Amino acid sequence: EAQVTQNPRYLITVTGKKLTVTCSQNMNHEYMSWYRQDPGLGLRQIYYSMNVEVTDKGDVPEGYKVSRKEKRNFPLILESPSPNQTSLYFCASSSRGRTDTQYFGPGTRLTVL
Amino acid sequence: AQSVTQLDSQVPVFEEAPVELRCNYSSSVSVYLFWYVQYPNQGLQLLLKYLSGSTLVKGINGFEAEFNKSQTSFHLRKPSVHISDTAEYFCAVSESRDDKIIFGKGTRLHILP
Repeated sequence: EAQVTQNPRYLITVTGKKLTVTCSQNMNHEYMSWYRQDPGLGLRQIYYSMNVEVTDKGDVPEGYKVSRKEKRNFPLILESPSPNQTSLYFCASSSRGRTDTQYFGPGTRLTVL
Repeated sequence: AQSVTQLDSQVPVFEEAPVELRCNYSSSVSVYLFWYVQYPNQGLQLLLKYLSGSTLVKGINGFEAEFNKSQTSFHLRKPSVHISDTAEYFCAVSESRDDKIIFGKGTRLHILP
């Protein structure tokens, strides 16, 4: 089944404790992206990647890192999480770029205390 | 810089009535436009997109949208809504000159019996 998977789905952590949210797709897609969703703010793009070893900043990249060492994986790294990073995070992928249909993962709900 | 405004945060409408969800964008270059839907507790899925060509775009589930360049709008319409259309709808824009995607803050569609 074609899908985007994210792990973990729920995470509660404390300020400053490094964490990684994994994202994997099995569709051989080139474009992958991370978003955060906050009430009243909609979705905001954090980082995106056009292909392996190619990443670029979205609208709200501060406090986040990403890497794209393999085509299927696009982990989101919070090296020193803070409470303002409490949010619902979505990973998405599309075949060649943002003009193709993006397929979204189920979301990761992160709480930083 | 590109931006998206969804003029209504919530829209109540009676079942089987028509609905229009409004979206305006701001950009100095040509754009690609999208509407995504998020059903409760799910990720997003693409309803329709405008890349070029005909300004009237038809999507899934009976939705359509019209690109109006002079008014910088991309309003979403459905002639007759059903209870299953209860969801949050997001308009998104991407400029032709880069690969970022900017989402609006979303419009919650409430279907009244």
